[in-house]
Amino acid sequence: AQSVSQHNHHVILSEAASLELGCNYSYGGTVNLFWYVQYPGQHLQLLLKYFSGDPLVKGIKGFEAEFIKSKFSFNLRKPSVQWSDTAEYFCAVRLQGGKLIFGQGTELSVKP
Amino acid sequence: GAGVSQSPSNKVTEKGKDVELRCDPISGHTALYWYRQRLGQGLEFLIYFQGNSAPDKSGLPSDRFSAERTGESVSTLTIQRTQQEDSAVYLCASSPGLAETGELFFGEGSRLTVL
Repeated sequence: AQSVSQHNHHVILSEAASLELGCNYSYGGTVNLFWYVQYPGQHLQLLLKYFSGDPLVKGIKGFEAEFIKSKFSFNLRKPSVQWSDTAEYFCAVRLQGGKLIFGQGTELSVKP
Repeated sequence: GAGVSQSPSNKVTEKGKDVELRCDPISGHTALYWYRQRLGQGLEFLIYFQGNSAPDKSGLPSDRFSAERTGESVSTLTIQRTQQEDSAVYLCASSPGLAETGELFFGEGSRLTVL
């Protein structure tokens, strides 16, 4: 069955630390890949997306993600986190045909 | 409207009652998705619509759940004979179209509590 796995349930970092959140999916066809973020008290919003071309994509607020097809991975990175990055992060995969499935989410807490 | 609108924002019901949740997508968006988010868990895919048809209903948990969409606009998710395990936030999202590479725009969600 198709699925999306996020490796970390809760990550705690200090400000200025580097961030990498893992995401792997299981699906053999063509995919579109997304990272969504949910700040406290707000609804989900798009952080970045990959459709084709350069496997390294840059999003808002200094986030980037790299698609490694051979590893079925789409890890999210940020060189230096800020307290305002505290949120829940969701990896999502859109399958051929349009179905979009999400990972379980990773809660990021950044200590000032 | 300016964004995806969901109603009610909060619903408390008794076990065994039917509930209806409504989603108004962004005007012109042809794709519409429903997800369920239980406390402390990720987004569980329920169903999506392209126009008024639902190509994939595989996520509906049981035959107590149904959804429809009319006029390529409003969608309703109906849960019959609610159970306590149905308690969750039900999220709706819309997108310009399945062929588009656009993002999903989410509503605020409808929080359902079944007593």
